[in-house]
Amino acid sequence: GEDVEQSLFLSVREGDSSVINCTYTDSSSTYLYWYKQEPGAGLQLLTYIFSNMDMKQDQRLTVLLNKKDKHLSLRIADTQTGDSAIYFCAVLGSGGSYIPTFGRGTSLIVHP
Amino acid sequence: DAGVIQSPRHEVTEMGQEVTLRCKPISGHNSLFWYRQTMMRGLELLIYFNNNVPIDDSGMPEDRFSAKMPNASFSTLKIQPSEPRDSAVYFCASSSGTRNEQFFGPGTRLTVL
Repeated sequence: GEDVEQSLFLSVREGDSSVINCTYTDSSSTYLYWYKQEPGAGLQLLTYIFSNMDMKQDQRLTVLLNKKDKHLSLRIADTQTGDSAIYFCAVLGSGGSYIPTFGRGTSLIVHP
Repeated sequence: DAGVIQSPRHEVTEMGQEVTLRCKPISGHNSLFWYRQTMMRGLELLIYFNNNVPIDDSGMPEDRFSAKMPNASFSTLKIQPSEPRDSAVYFCASSSGTRNEQFFGPGTRLTVL
């Protein structure tokens, strides 16, 4: 089955850019998602990218997809303390699956 | 739309007791998922329903766990009897459409003493 890997922690200073990385194994993945989980809350979809795209930008968020290396990244520009949360990468495989595979999540800590 | 609704938000019970978690998906969504989140194991998919029918329950840890979806607007996850190792946050999520993006509820934090 699909395997999705993320580093567990990332620490940045307020105002810097954050880059959260994710690797996956299924080269036929269709949709790739980034979710954000704030303390005590459920996961919230931040953005997604379809597999035929290389990049997607949405305000301070930039998603980059390298299909050759099976690598997905989320860049947060001008990181704020309110961005502190756990960020999950999720990948939807091909073959009609309705179930995305989630990574373990990356805890982003933003220092003032 | 109120989003996915889960109840209770917190549950503290003693070992051996029955626990029932409830979920109301977003209206119009035809897929419903139950997840369990722990520090040790991360986010685990327990069971998945499509059009109220259980499709994949391979993640249900033991026979002590059962889930039902009697109609499109309600699902339950039951643990009987509960054990301390069941302590976790349980999430319900629903989805619809080709992108299959999931909308999560706020979760139920279960503590089994």
